[in-house]
Amino acid sequence: EPEVTQTPSHQVTQMGQEVILRCVPISNHLYFYWYRQILGQKVEFLVSFYNNEISEKSEIFDDQFSVERPDGSNFTLKIRSTKLEDSAMYFCASSALGTGNEKLFFGSGTQLSVL
Amino acid sequence: DQQVKQNSPSLSVQEGRISILNCDYTNSMFDYFLWYKKYPAEGPTFLISISSIKDKNEDGRFTVFLNKSAKHLSLHIVPSQPGDSAVYFCAASVTNFGNEKLTFGTGTRLTIIP
Repeated sequence: EPEVTQTPSHQVTQMGQEVILRCVPISNHLYFYWYRQILGQKVEFLVSFYNNEISEKSEIFDDQFSVERPDGSNFTLKIRSTKLEDSAMYFCASSALGTGNEKLFFGSGTQLSVL
Repeated sequence: DQQVKQNSPSLSVQEGRISILNCDYTNSMFDYFLWYKKYPAEGPTFLISISSIKDKNEDGRFTVFLNKSAKHLSLHIVPSQPGDSAVYFCAASVTNFGNEKLTFGTGTRLTIIP
């Protein structure tokens, strides 16, 4: 079965540094998402992306966050100046149609640790 | 803002018996519900879903029941197997073409006892 791949699996960074989390969605999917899960908490929606634009973003997704599809395969999440509270597992996901009635395929996640 | 709630953080079930995981929601606009399974160090994996126009959906050992009036859904696994041990997340969405935004519950850790 096709899968969403994420790199790196673990990222350790100093507070205030920029990080870029990378994802390769399933090739024929058109809708892309970032979610995150802080340890012990629920998985939370960050942002959805379609046709090179943000479709929707949550309150968490402030000006420190940005997303980009730099080429035909990659989808990235950038955190410009990391804070301690950004430490979490970040999941990339994709869906084919964005109909609102379909499942999302998730990657294995990037564990971000901000020191 | 807990629009989707899973009140049982953990559940232990004997192998071969039925596992029942519960989920409640508050947003009456939700019209699509999903269950995801998650192993440690992996992303959530889709298990089964149900549209609000149905009250039951079955796929092999997995059945999801939806009670719209009670804003409650449940996942039944029968018979339970050791490989079913994982964290199970309930999720919900509002049909919105172009955006599959899921609202997740906090998860229930299911342990199947051999």
